[in-house]
Amino acid sequence: AQTVTQSQPEMSVQEAETVTLSCTYDTSESDYYLFWYKQPPSRQMILVIRQEAYKQQNATENRFSVNFQKAAKSFSLKISDSQLGDAAMYFCAYRGRNAGNMLTFGGGTRLMVKP
Amino acid sequence: GAVVSQHPSWVICKSGTSVKIECRSLDFQATTMFWYRQFPKQSLMLMATSNEGSKATYEQGVEKDKFLINHASLTLSTLTVTSAHPEDSSFYICSARVGGAALNQPQHFGDGTRLSIL
Repeated sequence: AQTVTQSQPEMSVQEAETVTLSCTYDTSESDYYLFWYKQPPSRQMILVIRQEAYKQQNATENRFSVNFQKAAKSFSLKISDSQLGDAAMYFCAYRGRNAGNMLTFGGGTRLMVKP
Repeated sequence: GAVVSQHPSWVICKSGTSVKIECRSLDFQATTMFWYRQFPKQSLMLMATSNEGSKATYEQGVEKDKFLINHASLTLSTLTVTSAHPEDSSFYICSARVGGAALNQPQHFGDGTRLSIL
């Protein structure tokens, strides 16, 4: 079964600085998708960014970018110019065919942004 | 973008009552919907996968008779917590997948339901 591991339960960043959240996963598949979701205190799940495994180019969405290392099975999220509104729980998620195309979530990282 | 509406957002009820939570895809047809449970400061735990017109597929350890799932149309799935007890108190989130089972089909989440059983 696929597993997703987020080794940082909590992270802290100064406003306007850059922070990187780590995620590793375990899979035997070659075709899959990886996602980062943000869950603010309102608890709404918001898709931040996604990466297709067959694409070597790292995905970017404005201040959010990923470092996808397929061989190392690593998928970290970089948040640049951190803003107070970035404070939230961040979940890394995997989707592959072997698990019926269902999302498998990591344990989450709580990001705090200091003003 | 695709919107998933979940209702109610918060419910408080007495122990022993049944509670129904609705999940609607507002502007798309969702063949498959998912129900998650989330405890405080923890990740989302998949409870069951709901397919329109067929029985739901429950994850190991989830009681089928306790958590009844109905997916009668392409835009509505319901989760009924039967004879709820305080240990059922949790945050429940539904999610709907646009289109078919292709890997690149996005999955959209409702805003969740906070269930508190007294």
